[in-house]
Amino acid sequence: GAVVSQHPSWVICKSGTSVKIECRSLDFQATTMFWYRQFPKQSLMLMATSNEGSKATYEQGVEKDKFLINHASLTLSTLTVTSAHPEDSSFYICSAMGLLNEKLFFGSGTQLSVL
Amino acid sequence: QKEVEQDPGPLSVPEGAIVSLNCTYSNSAFQYFMWYRQYSRKGPELLMYTYSSGNKEDGRFTAQVDKSSKYISLFIRDSQPSDSATYLCATRLKAAGNKLTFGGGTRVLVKP
Repeated sequence: GAVVSQHPSWVICKSGTSVKIECRSLDFQATTMFWYRQFPKQSLMLMATSNEGSKATYEQGVEKDKFLINHASLTLSTLTVTSAHPEDSSFYICSAMGLLNEKLFFGSGTQLSVL
Repeated sequence: QKEVEQDPGPLSVPEGAIVSLNCTYSNSAFQYFMWYRQYSRKGPELLMYTYSSGNKEDGRFTAQVDKSSKYISLFIRDSQPSDSATYLCATRLKAAGNKLTFGGGTRVLVKP
């Protein structure tokens, strides 16, 4: 299957700081990337959909000013958690889909802990 | 009612047994059906992908889709302890921007 690289795999930060998570498609061009959030023992919750070169589409209830998404190239999307607070602590996962490939591949996830 | 329902388990089986996982969905317009495996603190890994009713086999895995009943299944033959994970079913409607709708996941434990 296709490879999606997500970095960092875990991060600990102080409350009030911003954290950036990167998601790269290594062997295909990802026209669409998705960002999910997952709490322990729960399923994935879609936060937003990003298409290369355009603004991300956020799901209802997700603060777009809090979770900044940039998809500037066909291989890279970033999620920035701004002014992080302890309630933002969670497991964040990105996924990518190519133009001709209908399959969705996931990154390895980022565990964010806000102190 | 959730769009995709999945028994959360846990499902515990002895090594070598067949693992049987099921999901039901409510939207008959869903076109694509997937099964993912997720280990703790890792991203989901695509196991099976299908878009038609019937069976699809890949190694020890068989995915089954019954669109008339809106029912999807995954069977794992000769289960191994390394198959212990959470299994997520997912559906997709192309007209909905390729977004996946996930079931809640079923925890599977294969005991040696």
